[in-house]
Amino acid sequence: GAVVSQHPSWVICKSGTSVKIECRSLDFQATTMFWYRQFPKQSLMLMATSNEGSKATYEQGVEKDKFLINHASLTLSTLTVTSAHPEDSSFYICSGGGGGTTRGEQYFGPGTRLTVT
Amino acid sequence: TQLLEQSPQFLSIQEGENLTVYCNSSSVFSSLQWYRQEPGEGPVLLVTVVTGGEVKKLKRLTFQFGDARKDSSLHITAAQPGDTGLYLCAGGSNYKLTFGKGTLLTVNP
Repeated sequence: GAVVSQHPSWVICKSGTSVKIECRSLDFQATTMFWYRQFPKQSLMLMATSNEGSKATYEQGVEKDKFLINHASLTLSTLTVTSAHPEDSSFYICSGGGGGTTRGEQYFGPGTRLTVT
Repeated sequence: TQLLEQSPQFLSIQEGENLTVYCNSSSVFSSLQWYRQEPGEGPVLLVTVVTGGEVKKLKRLTFQFGDARKDSSLHITAAQPGDTGLYLCAGGSNYKLTFGKGTLLTVNP
């Protein structure tokens, strides 16, 4: 149980374009979804927390106008990287948690590798 | 700001050896999770500990939560090449996780 999927698993886009990443909880309802960014051989950095039907809460230093998050249902959250630049290239991982899990665990998707050329 | 210090950052050992990874904080967490991540994949939850002094075993892995719920350790017995990966501890508070920097473990055959 507690499976989270992400789509696409990898994407290459040109500088200046926008990219949307989907995160779905397949067998539980994730009242809260989290978006992380990870650089090679480093830990996860939380970008934002989103609750279903509410505006996302962004961590300090994360541009909310650049990283648009939508959490329209209990099983789907999307992250749109707008006007992408090469420095946005990274591994983006989502997780589901909150009321759909016990004791505060989060269940992670397989990640999306974004490369901006 | 809650911080989790994880050590060592890198560990390269031979198959069959034992190892311990430490996770320390000055903050108290309501729960602590350990995850394992392989390259190009998302972290996979190994265990959650919530009670001070709690010890959990998962085959060759032993997890311990400190009495004060500020620190934790992961001990692997007779490591195997399949244990290779990035081990992450994460402290839970209000459904939000604070991650340590991770321990990159390599087990050589």
